[in-house]
Amino acid sequence: EPEVTQTPSHQVTQMGQEVILRCVPISNHLYFYWYRQILGQKVEFLVSFYNNEISEKSEIFDDQFSVERPDGSNFTLKIRSTKLEDSAMYFCASSRGGFSGDYGYTFGSGTRLTVV
Amino acid sequence: KQEVTQIPAALSVPEGENLVLNCSFTDSAIYNLQWFRQDPGKGLTSLLLIQSSQREQTSGRLNASLDKSSGRSTLYIAASQPGDSATYLCAVNTGRRALTFGSGTRLQVQP
Repeated sequence: EPEVTQTPSHQVTQMGQEVILRCVPISNHLYFYWYRQILGQKVEFLVSFYNNEISEKSEIFDDQFSVERPDGSNFTLKIRSTKLEDSAMYFCASSRGGFSGDYGYTFGSGTRLTVV
Repeated sequence: KQEVTQIPAALSVPEGENLVLNCSFTDSAIYNLQWFRQDPGKGLTSLLLIQSSQREQTSGRLNASLDKSSGRSTLYIAASQPGDSATYLCAVNTGRRALTFGSGTRLQVQP
């Protein structure tokens, strides 16, 4: 069964450093997403991406965050200057269809980001 | 703003029991609802997707129902096994390009 692949599985970074989290969505999916889950809290939406541009973003997704699809297969989340509160599990997801809900989401196994 | 609530927060049952997990949501204008399984420190595995026009979906020992008008969904697990131990999350899609998740039900099935 096709998978969403995320790398690295765990990243430790110093506060103020830039990090890039990488994802390879399922090849025939057109819609891409980033979510995060702070330890012990709900999974929260960060951003959705379609046709090479951001479709929607949450209030969490401020100027410190950016997303990019640098080639035909990768989808990245960049955090420019990490803060302690950015420590969380970050999930990439993709879906085949539109935002109308005809298709479910497939999630990756996540990147655990620890900011020290 | 959509809010999703799951009860109970935690559940411990002996192996072989049938069990029901509950999910409620405040805005009934949803496109679909998806149940996920999350093992500790791991990713989200999709279990079942129910479209808003559907009443239920089944996969093996799992059956999910949806009552959109009352804002409720249930996940029924038949003949539970220790391997079913995990956190079960429900998430609703309101078509605003994002899923809204519940806090999950942490299930422990005792051998």
